[in-house]
Amino acid sequence: DQQVKQNSPSLSVQEGRISILNCDYTNSMFDYFLWYKKYPAEGPTFLISISSIKDKNEDGRFTVFLNKSAKHLSLHIVPSQPGDSAVYFCAAGDTGRRALTFGSGTRLQVQP
Amino acid sequence: GAGVSQSPSNKVTEKGKDVELRCDPISGHTALYWYRQSLGQGLEFLIYFQGNSAPDKSGLPSDRFSAERTGGSVSTLTIQRTQQEDSAVYLCASSEAGNTIYFGEGSWLTVV
Repeated sequence: DQQVKQNSPSLSVQEGRISILNCDYTNSMFDYFLWYKKYPAEGPTFLISISSIKDKNEDGRFTVFLNKSAKHLSLHIVPSQPGDSAVYFCAAGDTGRRALTFGSGTRLQVQP
Repeated sequence: GAGVSQSPSNKVTEKGKDVELRCDPISGHTALYWYRQSLGQGLEFLIYFQGNSAPDKSGLPSDRFSAERTGGSVSTLTIQRTQQEDSAVYLCASSEAGNTIYFGEGSWLTVV
């Protein structure tokens, strides 16, 4: 039972355009959400997070949106850069348990 | 060191042998996690240690897998009688009381 789903395994966008990565979850106990970025042969690195009390969090080119009623979150990258090409993992957690549940990842390729 | 350190970075072992993977978390981080990523799969939670509490072992796939955390710092993940399906990258992560977890670069295990 996949509690966190990233339905798009890959995404390709042009440099300078917006990248939108989507994530859906089923567990209503999740109260915080994170995005991690992973380059080949490296561990994931933290990108941005959002608490369930917010619907938006912005950090530079990265913005995460949370729609609790739809159990959906998205990561927007604008403008996209070739260096953003990586696999992006959505993760969700509940404060009581702490261990994160990850989606299967979306491979983003930004074309120069 | 400044980050989560894992060793070995690469391990090739014969089916049926035991392996040990080591994780040295970020100094001061009380929480330690083990995840694994199989080829083409997302990040799979294995086990979580928090301070002196009993670990959350709910993600361990079989009784061939075990983990210890000595002195609240270094952790060892042990896989007994390895099978080919155990081939994956094993990622360790640590965190403070907050939600963000920081990953090591992983130990790449290949069972032949």
